[in-house]
Amino acid sequence: AQKITQTQPGMFVQEKEAVTLDCTYDTSDQSYGLFWYKQPSSGEMIFLIYQGSYDEQNATEGRYSLNFQKARKSANLVISASQLGDSAMYFCAMREPGDKIIFGKGTRLHILP
Amino acid sequence: NAGVTQTPKFRVLKTGQSMTLLCAQDMNHEYMYWYRQDPGMGLRLIHYSVGEGTTAKGEVPDGYNVSRLKKQNFLLGLESAAPSQTSVYFCASSWTARMELFFGEGSRLTVL
Repeated sequence: AQKITQTQPGMFVQEKEAVTLDCTYDTSDQSYGLFWYKQPSSGEMIFLIYQGSYDEQNATEGRYSLNFQKARKSANLVISASQLGDSAMYFCAMREPGDKIIFGKGTRLHILP
Repeated sequence: NAGVTQTPKFRVLKTGQSMTLLCAQDMNHEYMYWYRQDPGMGLRLIHYSVGEGTTAKGEVPDGYNVSRLKKQNFLLGLESAAPSQTSVYFCASSWTARMELFFGEGSRLTVL
């Protein structure tokens, strides 16, 4: 069974609009962490944001914020004021016990001018 | 500052051949990971290491072996390559699993 589910294979968003990329996860552990990474067409992996399961506040990094809803097991990425350079593949990932880090299948985001 | 370096960047193998991918990091990271990326599948964890001399299985370990004899190096071996192992392989490292992963540029392997 998938432990990280990203239900949106692709999204098209108008430039300057806010974007929410969905991520749900499955774990029975109390201690875990959630990450988001960006992969542009050039192929490199870029870290965006991290949220620990015990962190009470939602993580934010510049235009990126993580909407962490523990009871619903969701960790959606919100990008405010999208830019053309945000067009990329986005991956949600989870740190499991034993420090294994697993990824979802990704969402391809297209920003339209 | 090299960061995470993967060698080789590209390789073509015939079925049954063996090869080793080398991942080297110069950031004194404890944790190192090997992933494979296939279209529509995201990144899947092959093996990982939480310190020198340690290794552990990930989600898709079959057909691969790893070694972490030195802290800065994490080797991924294919003993008998199969076409199903055609993929882009990424190595990543971090100080802890609660901090960002630093990725290599990827190694594209084709098995004919």
